[in-house]
Amino acid sequence: KAGVTQTPRYLIKTRGQQVTLSCSPISGHRSVSWYQQTPGQGLQFLFEYFSETQRNKGNFPGRFSGRQFSNSRSEMNVSTLELGDSALYLCASSGGTGETQYFGPGTRLLVL
Amino acid sequence: QQQVKQSPQSLIVQKGGISIINCAYENTAFDYFPWYQQFPGKGPALLIAIRPDVSEKKEGRFTISFNKSAKQFSLHIMDSQPGDSATYFCAARGNTDKLIFGTGTRLQVFP
Repeated sequence: KAGVTQTPRYLIKTRGQQVTLSCSPISGHRSVSWYQQTPGQGLQFLFEYFSETQRNKGNFPGRFSGRQFSNSRSEMNVSTLELGDSALYLCASSGGTGETQYFGPGTRLLVL
Repeated sequence: QQQVKQSPQSLIVQKGGISIINCAYENTAFDYFPWYQQFPGKGPALLIAIRPDVSEKKEGRFTISFNKSAKQFSLHIMDSQPGDSATYFCAARGNTDKLIFGTGTRLQVFP
């Protein structure tokens, strides 16, 4: 099976812009979670989607949003970008609650 | 109560030595404890995981030791190799898919 894929891999944006990141889970996986990784804060949970419904949400401002499509692919959107949003954004998929999560390679976002 | 504390922050080990990374948690609702390995430019990859009904799990050179009463768990890498040089994250999860990660340990194994 192909692994979790994320596009784009690298992105440069300027403050105030918005960005959309995409994640394609492993075939058959219905749960997709998003994490932000920074040197200062480490790996932090953003949100989780299962069957197109957001099931869990981390402690991030409303500028961070996401959605999941019927084919389980997921997107996350960050509006009004700030310098502090520069990070590696990771997507993980699993077959369901309690199952192993597999991470994609991440999208590295740089906000100038 | 949602934190997972990980130590040390960095670790230098000679080839063939034992690498030991420790984690502690507070939330007794956590019931799944994975370890992830991450190389530069890559996403974290699951290394090994344990549930609290066992005290130890071994897979090849990697062993998790789990102490439920102390709410601690550790990763032991036996016969450490230069290819093991990476950042290791412990994590914990309850009845959702939300992983709470430790702060990471950067392991360097020198020949």
